[in-house]
Amino acid sequence: ETGVTQTPRHLVMGMTNKKSLKCEQHLGHNAMYWYKQSAKKPLELMFVYNFKEQTENNSVPSRFSPECPNSSHLFLHLHTLQPEDSALYLCASSHDGLAGTGDTQYFGPGTRLTVL
Amino acid sequence: QKEVEQNSGPLSVPEGAIASLNCTYSDRGSQSFFWYRQYSGKSPELIMSIYSNGDKEDGRFTAQLNKASQYVSLLIRDSQPSDSATYLCASLTGGFKTIFGAGTRLFVKA
Repeated sequence: ETGVTQTPRHLVMGMTNKKSLKCEQHLGHNAMYWYKQSAKKPLELMFVYNFKEQTENNSVPSRFSPECPNSSHLFLHLHTLQPEDSALYLCASSHDGLAGTGDTQYFGPGTRLTVL
Repeated sequence: QKEVEQNSGPLSVPEGAIASLNCTYSDRGSQSFFWYRQYSGKSPELIMSIYSNGDKEDGRFTAQLNKASQYVSLLIRDSQPSDSATYLCASLTGGFKTIFGAGTRLFVKA
């Protein structure tokens, strides 16, 4: 256990559904991240929040909508997804996300998403 | 486009041997580097981090960084079958952006 939890662990949804992924960290960190991991591809950074403020949006389609109500919780709202969005979605947290401080990211177990 | 490159493998080594994993990065502004291990179906977990040129040792693991050559490596001594996993190299640039390589699959034969 890394102190980062994600729910649900598995999700199957149709292209017209709306669903949300939840991430919670119990580490007292200030930065939280969403990544997408597809087969045979590098981890793709989607969003970064630092002290609840979004600091990175890596050209993610608007059908993915993040929400960070506080430093411990992060959501990813999903709407009208495509089959190619099927992947493992990983949440991570770190102390403050600043380069040069050796800021280590701790990953949650991920949500395996399948879009039909 | 900032990138981190790794040989996808699989890299196969016998039990007890040294496994050598390599990584290059394109952004000279990268300041911190990380090696993560990811077992099949699991999330990445941190093995080593390194920020300065040279070697950093932690148990059976040694990370090496050469900023002039933009090269990072991970050596695993006395490899065990339990080390069989995908190893991800990552660099942290200015701001909050961590860039991951696609990973190298390591297989340690008993």
